[in-house]
Amino acid sequence: QVQLQESGPGLVKPSETLSLTCTVSVGSLSTGSYYWSWVRQTPGKGLEWIGFILYNGRTFYNPSLESRVTISLDASKNQFSLRLNSVSSADTATYYCARERDLGATRYFDSWGQGTLVTVSA
Amino acid sequence: EVVMTQSPATLSVSPGERATLSCRASYSVSDNLAWYQQKPGQAPRLLIYRASTRATDIPARFSGSGSGTEFTLTISSLQSEDFAVYYCQQYNNWPPLTFGGGTKVEMK
Repeated sequence: QVQLQESGPGLVKPSETLSLTCTVSVGSLSTGSYYWSWVRQTPGKGLEWIGFILYNGRTFYNPSLESRVTISLDASKNQFSLRLNSVSSADTATYYCARERDLGATRYFDSWGQGTLVTVSA
Repeated sequence: EVVMTQSPATLSVSPGERATLSCRASYSVSDNLAWYQQKPGQAPRLLIYRASTRATDIPARFSGSGSGTEFTLTISSLQSEDFAVYYCQQYNNWPPLTFGGGTKVEMK
């Protein structure tokens, strides 16, 4: 059973960069059938898809965040990471890493981390 | 962007009763829709994918239906552990993947 665990600072100052890492236990990130994803959740906007990275490093981002987001992967450490630049209070949220399984004709998030609350405040 | 609208926002149901949750897409997503359950302090959990296929270990009291723009999640006989927030999510037209705003199922 794969497990995902987010780590990173819980407090980030406005205009700075939010950085989170997701460590994946069991299995390899170098599997073609999965998308390694970030999703965030706020009371106001609900669940918001941030983007994902494939095993080969290709990334897809939410257009609303694309100018500020970078997702990267370190297969040797079985980790993938999120960087969100120029944060504001609107980026305060619980951030989840998740695995999305692609079956070709369908796809779904089948594993999630426990989530980590990141607060943007001076 | 496909906007997903869930109704009602809150559903008050007694244990043993049937719960019917709705999800509407702003335009057709075919059957490329999933449902998730989220309990307080927990991550979402997959219930249904491809509009009507139950995920592994999901009880048969959960069923999904619909296609195009109208979808329904039905819980045939609510158990105490089913009180939670439920989200629909489309993966037909992306980026971005989009989620509904959620329906909270609470005890009546």
